[in-house]
Amino acid sequence: EPEVTQTPSHQVTQMGQEVILRCVPISNHLYFYWYRQILGQKVEFLVSFYNNEISEKSEIFDDQFSVERPDGSNFTLKIRSTKLEDSAMYFCASSERGVAYEQYFGPGTRLTVT
Amino acid sequence: KNEVEQSPQNLTAQEEEFITINCSYSVGISALHWLQQHPGGGIVSLFMLSSGKKKHGRLIATINIQEKHSSLHITASHPRDSAVYICAVLKFGNEKLTFGTGTRLTIIP
Repeated sequence: EPEVTQTPSHQVTQMGQEVILRCVPISNHLYFYWYRQILGQKVEFLVSFYNNEISEKSEIFDDQFSVERPDGSNFTLKIRSTKLEDSAMYFCASSERGVAYEQYFGPGTRLTVT
Repeated sequence: KNEVEQSPQNLTAQEEEFITINCSYSVGISALHWLQQHPGGGIVSLFMLSSGKKKHGRLIATINIQEKHSSLHITASHPRDSAVYICAVLKFGNEKLTFGTGTRLTIIP
């Protein structure tokens, strides 16, 4: 069964460093999402991406964050100059037909900023 | 105040019990998702609803748009159903999901 994959599973970085979280969505899906879950808190929407551009972003998704689909298969989240409060689980998801339809989630990347 | 409220926050039940988890929301929505988050952290989509009722195996999800309320039911619960169940809504005019805080379900053998 097709699945969304994410790498790495765990990333440890120092404050101020840049990180890139990678996702490979399901191949025929057209809509892509990043979510964040701080330990012990609820899942939060970060950004949605369709047709090579951001379709919606949350107030969390400021200039520190960027997304890219560099090669038609990978979908990346870049966090510039990481802060301690960026420590969280980051989930990628994809959907064939948009946010009102079933989303398939990746296993997540745990980001620890020290 | 959260736009999406779930109850209960925690639920412990014996195996085979009938489980109900509730989700209430305060905004107009075009769709509601029920998700399952495993103890290891992975998230699985269970249902997407815009009206009525859906059933998949032992899971049943209902939604009442007028009352702004949805329920997730599990029949003949099993320890492997132990997980956090999350309700998420798609507000009218939005392209993003707004999540509830989740209900932690523990089924005891």
